[in-house]
Amino acid sequence: ETGVTQTPRHLVMGMTNKKSLKCEQHLGHNAMYWYKQSAKKPLELMFVYNFKEQTENNSVPSRFSPECPNSSHLFLHLHTLQPEDSALYLCASSPDWIKQFFGPGTRLTVL
Amino acid sequence: LAKITQPISMDSYEGQEVNITCSHNNIATNDYITWYQQFPSQGPRFIIQGYKTKVTNEVASLFIPADRKSSTLSLPRVSLSDTAVYYCLVFDSNYQLIWGAGTKLIIKP
Repeated sequence: ETGVTQTPRHLVMGMTNKKSLKCEQHLGHNAMYWYKQSAKKPLELMFVYNFKEQTENNSVPSRFSPECPNSSHLFLHLHTLQPEDSALYLCASSPDWIKQFFGPGTRLTVL
Repeated sequence: LAKITQPISMDSYEGQEVNITCSHNNIATNDYITWYQQFPSQGPRFIIQGYKTKVTNEVASLFIPADRKSSTLSLPRVSLSDTAVYYCLVFDSNYQLIWGAGTKLIIKP
């Protein structure tokens, strides 16, 4: 257990659905991250929040929309996804930008 | 933009020392190099961080030469449970996080 939880752990959705991924940490960390991990590809950093403010958006398509209502919660809203968006979505938090604590991930399948 | 290269896979045997090297050019001069371990169906887990020379903790050592163009993760006396994917992570000169593609380490009995 890293102290970072993610729900749901598995999600299957159609291309016209809207769903949200949730990440929660009570470690007191100020930085939170969303990553995408596809088979045979490096971890892709999607979004970074520092003190609830988005500081990075690495050219992520607008069908992915992050939300950080407070320093303990992070959401990733999904809409009109494509099959190539199927992947493991990982949330992480960090106290110092060096050591990141990852959640178990949400395995997303887009049909 | 920094480019990271690490071996795709490695095999070793229980009780051996394993060294995994990550090559990284054009990285930030004043930031840490970190290594993570990932098991299937789990998020990566922090192993060790270093800035230069050698760092050792209870699970691994990290060797970083003076030019910081590479780093070597050393796992002493590995066991079957060390079978995992190992990633190095650096900041590039623009302070962007750059992950290596990962090294799949397989430990055999």
